[in-house]
Amino acid sequence: GENVEQHPSTLSVQEGDSAVIKCTYSDSASNYFPWYKQELGKGPQLIIDIRSNVGEKKDQRIAVTLNKTAKHFSLHITETQPEDSAVYFCAASKNTGFQKLVFGTGTRLLVSP
Amino acid sequence: EAGVTQFPSHSVIEKGQTVTLRCDPISGHDNLYWYRRVMGKEIKFLLHFVKESKQDESGMPNNRFLAERTGGTYSTLKVQPAELEDSGVYFCASSHRGTGLEAFFGQGTRLTVV
Repeated sequence: GENVEQHPSTLSVQEGDSAVIKCTYSDSASNYFPWYKQELGKGPQLIIDIRSNVGEKKDQRIAVTLNKTAKHFSLHITETQPEDSAVYFCAASKNTGFQKLVFGTGTRLLVSP
Repeated sequence: EAGVTQFPSHSVIEKGQTVTLRCDPISGHDNLYWYRRVMGKEIKFLLHFVKESKQDESGMPNNRFLAERTGGTYSTLKVQPAELEDSGVYFCASSHRGTGLEAFFGQGTRLTVV
C-alpha cells in the first residue's frame, strides 16, 4: 500500500523567512496530494492541493510542487508570519471519486516574531 | 454553514470500558470518513461511509471497533472494550459525493484510555 514520508518533523524559522516541507510517496498510482494545516485544538484544514497532471500550484504565500518521476512533493511558504505556526500534514490518495488519504507524520512549524 | 462536529472533544476512560464517539458531518455530504492519530504519528484512515453504507473499512484495527451511520446522517464509532493502545485523536471528515475531493475535518476527539 501507499506510504508517505514527511520531513522535517519540526521546523523553526524567523518571521519573514521561507519554510519548505517535503514529502515522498511510494505508490505511483497516487494522483491527488493535499496539504493540511492543523492549529491547536482544531482539526486539519485543507490549505492547498495538487493533482498529478500539474507540476506546481500557488495560492498567495503558499505553493506546492510535485515531481511525479521522483515521487515527491513539497510545500513552500514564503514571508512566514507567526500565525503560520501549526502542524502541517501532507497526504496522498488515488482519486477514485472519494478520498482515502494516506498522511505523512506531520511537521510542526514554529514562526518566531 | 456548520462544519463537521465531533462529540465529545475529550474522553478519559479506563481500560475495559466502552466509549462512543459521535460525528455530525456537513449537511448534504454523503461521504463520511473516520481517521485516527496515535501518539504523534501519522493520521491513519479507519473507514469510509457513503450515506449509510460502509464503502471501505480496511483501516479498522480490530473487531473492538464498530462504526455505524444509521440513516446516512451522523455516525458513531464505538470502542468496546477499550485498550491502552486505542488512545489517540479520532477525526471525522466529510465530503460531497459528486466532487469527493476536499474532505472537511472535525476538531477531533481526544481519547485517553488509562
